[in-house]
Formats: sequence, C-alpha cells, structure tokens
Amino acid sequence: AQTVTQSQPEMSVQEAETVTLSCTYDTSESDYYLFWYKQPPSRQMILVIRQEAYKQQNATENRFSVNFQKAAKSFSLKISDSQLGDAAMYFCAYRSAYTDKLIFGTGTRLQVFP
Amino acid sequence: DGGITQSPKYLFRKEGQNVTLSCEQNLNHDAMYWYRQDPGQGLRLIYYSQIVNDFQKGDIAEGYSVSREKKESFPLTVTSAQKNPTAFYLCASTTDDNSPLHFGNGTRLTVT
Repeated sequence: AQTVTQSQPEMSVQEAETVTLSCTYDTSESDYYLFWYKQPPSRQMILVIRQEAYKQQNATENRFSVNFQKAAKSFSLKISDSQLGDAAMYFCAYRSAYTDKLIFGTGTRLQVFP
Repeated sequence: DGGITQSPKYLFRKEGQNVTLSCEQNLNHDAMYWYRQDPGQGLRLIYYSQIVNDFQKGDIAEGYSVSREKKESFPLTVTSAQKNPTAFYLCASTTDDNSPLHFGNGTRLTVT
C-alpha cells in the first residue's frame, strides 16, 4: 500500500523569506501524480502545485516550486518570498495512475511572521 | 457554476444512529472520494469510486458505507459500528487524469 509522510508538523518563516516543506512517499508503482494542497482556517482545500511522476522537470507555479526526486521518493515544496497569506496547513498527496486512489500526508502547519 | 455540494454543513446525531452525508457534483467527474479529517490531522481516505456502481475501500472504511448509483452522487453513511464518528468529512471529485481534486465545503458531524 502507498503511504505519504510529512515529517514536519509545524514550520515557521519570516515574511519575504524562503521555506521548504518536506514530503516523502512510498510506492511500488511507476506511474502516479503528486500534489501539494493548502488548507487555510476556512478548511477549503486549495491546490498549490502538481507533478506528474513521468516528468523529470520540477513543477513551478509563481512563488511555489517543488523538488521532485523520484528515486528517493521525495517531493518537497519550496515557497519563495513568503507572504502572510501563505500561513495554512499544507498537505502532500499521492494519486495512483492505476487505481485513482488518492491519499494525503498528515500535514505541515506553516506560520508566517511579519 | 459547476461544483461539489455537501450537505448539511453541520450534523448532530445520537450515538447508535446511522447517518448519511450527502455529496453531489455537477462537474461530470468520474472519480469521487470521501475523506475524514480530525482536529489537527490530515485527510484519511474512507472510500473512493472511479465509476458508477463501483467503489473501493480506503484506509479507514470500517464503520462506513457508500453507494454510487449515479455519476453525480456519492453519499456516505456513517453506521453505528463506527467507534468514533465525530469528525469533519470532506467529499471530492476529479476527472480521470492528473487534474486536481475539487472539494466540497465539508460536513461537521457530531455524535453524542
């Protein structure tokens, strides 16, 4: 069975600085998709960024980028120029391309200080 | 506008009663999911469905049941066999590729 692990329950960053959130996963599958979601206090889930496992190039969305290391099964999220609005819970997620099963990690709470 | 509707937003039940949470989508998505979120924790997969009349157990299916009689609807029943049903429940759907999940606004279930 696949698993997703986020080893940092909480992280903090100064406004305008850069922070990296860690995510590792375990799978025997070769084709899958990886996602980072943000959950603010409203509890609405918001997609931050996604990565296809067959793509070697790391995904980038404005201030958000990932470091995807397929062999190491690592999928970290880098937030550059952090803003107060980035404060939220961040969840890493894995979706099987074979079964559509989609699972989440336990989350990292990010605090942003002015 | 297309989206996912979960109802009700808040639900209260007595222990020993079954309760059904509604999830409807008009996005024409094939795959639908139910997750449970406890305070300060991540989303745990209860059930998911790839197509009508088919569904699979997630990681914490015990004490829950689902049906998928229509593409648009994926109701979740929390049975009296679920030992600790009080939680926040999220429904989601997506198309059959790497598209992101669309989430409903959730149902907060309290069982006393």
